[in-house]
Amino acid sequence: DAGVTQSPTHLIKTRGQQVTLRCSPKSGHDTVSWYQQALGQGPQFIFQYYEEEERQRGNFPDRFSGHQFPNYSSELNVNALLLGDSALYLCASSNSGTSNQPQHFGDGTRLSIL
Amino acid sequence: GENVEQHPSTLSVQEGDSAVIKCTYSDSASNYFPWYKQELGKRPQLIIDIRSNVGEKKDQRIAVTLNKTAKHFSLHITETQPEDSAVYFCAAGSGGGADGLTFGKGTHLIIQP
Repeated sequence: DAGVTQSPTHLIKTRGQQVTLRCSPKSGHDTVSWYQQALGQGPQFIFQYYEEEERQRGNFPDRFSGHQFPNYSSELNVNALLLGDSALYLCASSNSGTSNQPQHFGDGTRLSIL
Repeated sequence: GENVEQHPSTLSVQEGDSAVIKCTYSDSASNYFPWYKQELGKRPQLIIDIRSNVGEKKDQRIAVTLNKTAKHFSLHITETQPEDSAVYFCAAGSGGGADGLTFGKGTHLIIQP
């Protein structure tokens, strides 16, 4: 039973560029949440996708956007990259139809902005 | 929005002793409180969670307590072992766990041999 998988593992970009990160949820999960974890900090909630729509959003600018596909996988897009966007981007999945289901995290994508 | 405060930022205990990490939250609508353990370079892993309809939950050496009135919850680890060394994060969420989580800044737990 595959857990949450994310790609790529590492990515280096320059300021002003755009990036797309990908996430495949744990088998049986239909909800995907994205988090940004700066070095030495706790994860910060970016947004959550369910039924191919953004269901909930944290305090992030609209440079951060996402998408969910019919197979429940998801993408996180960041435009006009800033140095401050350097962080570990974590994807977490859960099942909306099962009560008491916690969020399970992937290994993350380490994004470095030069 | 929700704000989660976590203390201490670093905790060093002797192997075999107990460790306690404390968190407070601000939003009374929060009803789900998970704890995650993150080892260096690895994903956060859920170690225990509690919902607002209970005051305490135990799983072997780990326990979590919740005081809804004070908006306070704590993680207790007994008989600490070297493999307990990691960064621990508390979090709060609503919707019974279905919603996005607000995390604390983390506690670096160091187990001294």
